[in-house]
Amino acid sequence: AQSVTQLGSHVSVSEGALVLLRCNYSSSVPPYLFWYVQYPNQGLQLLLKYTSAATLVKGINGFEAEFKKSETSFHLTKPSAHMSDAAEYFCAGRLQGGSEKLVFGKGTKLTVNP
Amino acid sequence: GAVVSQHPSWVICKSGTSVKIECRSLDFQATTMFWYRQFPKQSLMLMATSNEGSKATYEQGVEKDKFLINHASLTLSTLTVTSAHPEDSSFYICSTPWTSGTQRNHEQYFGPGTRLTVT
Repeated sequence: AQSVTQLGSHVSVSEGALVLLRCNYSSSVPPYLFWYVQYPNQGLQLLLKYTSAATLVKGINGFEAEFKKSETSFHLTKPSAHMSDAAEYFCAGRLQGGSEKLVFGKGTKLTVNP
Repeated sequence: GAVVSQHPSWVICKSGTSVKIECRSLDFQATTMFWYRQFPKQSLMLMATSNEGSKATYEQGVEKDKFLINHASLTLSTLTVTSAHPEDSSFYICSTPWTSGTQRNHEQYFGPGTRLTVT
């Protein structure tokens, strides 16, 4: 079954430290991949997307992600964490078959410590 | 970016009653709408896909008679939770892919969600 896996349900970093949130997908063909952020009791906001163009994707709020086909990964990074980055992050993929359905990872809660 | 609204943002209802949740695309035509349910500290689970003017397609395990979806116009889709029970308490979110004619940007735009509490 096509799936998106996020490694680590909780990640804690210090303010100013590197943020790394991991995401792997299962598919024989590169899909469309997305990272979303969700603040409490809110909907999802798109951080960035991969759509078969540049493998290094830059998004909003200083986030970026690199698509690595050999590793079937799409990890999200930010060089320096800010307190406002504390939120839930979801990796999602629009996989094979032409459907616009998204498959979501289980989410990673990012905590930023002062 | 495109704007999708949901109403109400928060609703409390008694067990056995029905609740309608509206999802509107405010600045583009939403031919397809996805409805998700999210339990606390969990990911989004797709419930159903609705296309304007046709019957919704439900994911396996989702009761179509309990979760009624209507997508009668290109800007409005509704989800009605019928005979709600406490186990239906959840965060319901809609999303729609952006389209303009035949153009697509491969993005989905999410509503802000509706918190349903059934007492």
